[in-house]
Amino acid sequence: DAGITQSPRHKVTETGTPVTLRCHQTENHRYMYWYRQDPGHGLRLIHYSYGVKDTDKGEVSDGYSVSRSKTEDFLLTLESATSSQTSVYFCAISGGQGTEAFFGQGTRLTVV
Amino acid sequence: QKEVEQNSGPLSVPEGAIASLNCTYSDRGSQSFFWYRQYSGKSPELIMSIYSNGDKEDGRFTAQLNKASQYVSLLIRDSQPSDSATYLCAVKEDSNYQLIWGAGTKLIIKP
Repeated sequence: DAGITQSPRHKVTETGTPVTLRCHQTENHRYMYWYRQDPGHGLRLIHYSYGVKDTDKGEVSDGYSVSRSKTEDFLLTLESATSSQTSVYFCAISGGQGTEAFFGQGTRLTVV
Repeated sequence: QKEVEQNSGPLSVPEGAIASLNCTYSDRGSQSFFWYRQYSGKSPELIMSIYSNGDKEDGRFTAQLNKASQYVSLLIRDSQPSDSATYLCAVKEDSNYQLIWGAGTKLIIKP
């Protein structure tokens, strides 16, 4: 299995609070991605990174920010959590363009 | 808008039969194609990748790619109850960092 660890695995938070999810990889892969998965929507890209301090927005980036200060860590922050951000969040890594992506175990986030 | 389309299912197949899953995509510039399996409550796991026209076989799984018709399919031979899952199709351009995902087909293998 690819060395990808997401933390926390489960979190319940209140509306309006900031939340940070962490993705840690031991594969030294260049590309890292944050997705959310909701029933009826499949996987939707939030943000991605193509190198240290190189990030870009995906299709559902509003309300989210990311940071990548080291190759191995990619952080996703919900600046002020809303109930619409209740979802399962997956981190993925990829070695290069055109190559397959490998997923972390996922984080189930509930905003109440 | 680049799209990847899959029949949401559920697709019900008897144990031991061949399961056929299909995926169509809109972007002719797509170069890399992937099939993932996702069990309920788990993360997607890669089953097959295919990059050129034709068939690619790996055990009971065969991926088929037809770029002219813009479809990619996954065949599962000798289907087992453990194959019951949602199968996700993903497509990637070489000039883009992103994967475009289908919504998935739920497959049920009946014993």
